[in-house]
Amino acid sequence: EPEVTQTPSHQVTQMGQEVILRCVPISNHLYFYWYRQILGQKVEFLVSFYNNEISEKSEIFDDQFSVERPDGSNFTLKIRSTKLEDSAMYFCASSRQAERRPQHFGDGTRLSIL
Amino acid sequence: AQSVAQPEDQVNVAEGNPLTVKCTYSVSGNPYLFWYVQYPNRGLQFLLKYITGDNLVKGSYGFEAEFNKSQTSFHLKKPSALVSDSALYFCAVRGGIKAAGNKLTFGGGTRVLVKP
Repeated sequence: EPEVTQTPSHQVTQMGQEVILRCVPISNHLYFYWYRQILGQKVEFLVSFYNNEISEKSEIFDDQFSVERPDGSNFTLKIRSTKLEDSAMYFCASSRQAERRPQHFGDGTRLSIL
Repeated sequence: AQSVAQPEDQVNVAEGNPLTVKCTYSVSGNPYLFWYVQYPNRGLQFLLKYITGDNLVKGSYGFEAEFNKSQTSFHLKKPSALVSDSALYFCAVRGGIKAAGNKLTFGGGTRVLVKP
């Protein structure tokens, strides 16, 4: 069964550094998402992406965050200048259709900011 | 704003007994409801969804869920739990109106522990 894959599984970065989290969505999916889960807290929506543009973003997704689909297969989340509070598990998800199809999630990248 | 509540942090059940994980929601318009399961060091794995139609939906691994509009609930059930069902379960909702967007709003998760 096709899966969403995320790399790396764990990223350790110094505060203030840029980090890029990578995702390969399921190949025939058109809608892409990033969520995050701070330890002990709920899974929170960050951003959705369709047709090469952001379709929706949360208040968490400020100017320090950006997303890109640089080629036909990858979907990336960049944090420009990381803060301690960015430490979390970041999940990428994709779906074939926005409304009725479920979103399929990757195994996540654990981001640790030192 | 949409929200999901999972009132139990943990549910303990003996193997072979029925399992219920509770979920209530608040959303504008008709809800689209989902259950996901998370095993250690893994992502969220889709179990089942309610979009429209029959209030009882069946999903993977023998799980089912019942949509109750009057109680705004979508409880997950399994008639006979297995030790391998021990995991973290998340309920999620998105609004059925275009203005709600596509984002999923998750509950806080319920840890299920099935004892042999």
